[in-house]
Amino acid sequence: DQQVKQNSPSLSVQEGRISILNCDYTNSMFDYFLWYKKYPAEGPTFLISISSIKDKNEDGRFTVFLNKSAKHLSLHIVPSQPGDSAVYFCAAIAYNNNDMRFGAGTRLTVKP
Amino acid sequence: DARVTQTPRHKVTEMGQEVTMRCQPILGHNTVFWYRQTMMQGLELLAYFRNRAPLDDSGMPKDRFSAEMPDATLATLKIQPSEPRDSAVYFCASGLVRGTGASSYNSPLHFGNGTRLTVT
Repeated sequence: DQQVKQNSPSLSVQEGRISILNCDYTNSMFDYFLWYKKYPAEGPTFLISISSIKDKNEDGRFTVFLNKSAKHLSLHIVPSQPGDSAVYFCAAIAYNNNDMRFGAGTRLTVKP
Repeated sequence: DARVTQTPRHKVTEMGQEVTMRCQPILGHNTVFWYRQTMMQGLELLAYFRNRAPLDDSGMPKDRFSAEMPDATLATLKIQPSEPRDSAVYFCASGLVRGTGASSYNSPLHFGNGTRLTVT
C-alpha cells in the first residue's frame, strides 16, 4: 500500500535550469511533508519540509509547493547544480501517529 | 556532529542463515525507525520504537523478522532464516518525537548509512 507516490523514477536537467520533482499522496491524514536527499552509500538527509497549513516553503534554491486539494506536492530546485544529483525522497507524516512514510524516490541528474 | 551508526555496512550471507543488523541511535533521541530500501518500494517502513517500546511493526514480515531495543543505545533487526528476497539496504533512523503528527517531531529524522544485505 503505497501511500506516498513518486511516479518519476528519474529526471535529467541541464545545469542552471529548474528541476521539478513531484510527489502524490493518498492518505488524507497526512499533515506534514518532507523531502530527503540521498547520495550513494549514504543515508538520506533532510532537505526541506512543509506543514499542511502552508502552500509554499522556500529555503535558498529549494522551494516546496503543496496542493492539498490535489494531494500533490513538488520540489523545485533553481538553479540546478551538478552537486544536486542524488535520489530525492518525498515523505509524509499523519497527524494521528508518528509514522514517516516515504515514496520510491526520484533520481535527479544535473548535467554540466 | 552526532550520527546514527549502523553495523555492519555490508553483509553477504547464504539463504537460511541468521542475520543481525545493529543501530546506535543519536544520544537523547527517543524514537528509532527501521526502513528497507528496495528498487520497487523505495523506503519501506518496517518498524519503529518509542522509548525502547515497539509502536508499530506492521511493515515487517513477522515470521522471519524481529526488531528489539535491548537498551537506549542499541536497536537490532534480525532475520531468521534469511531469504534472497530480503536482499536490500536496511536503514535505521532516530529522532526526538513527542506526541503525534507534525508538531511531534522536534527535529527531522537522522538516518544511518545503512546495511547492504545480500542473501545468496
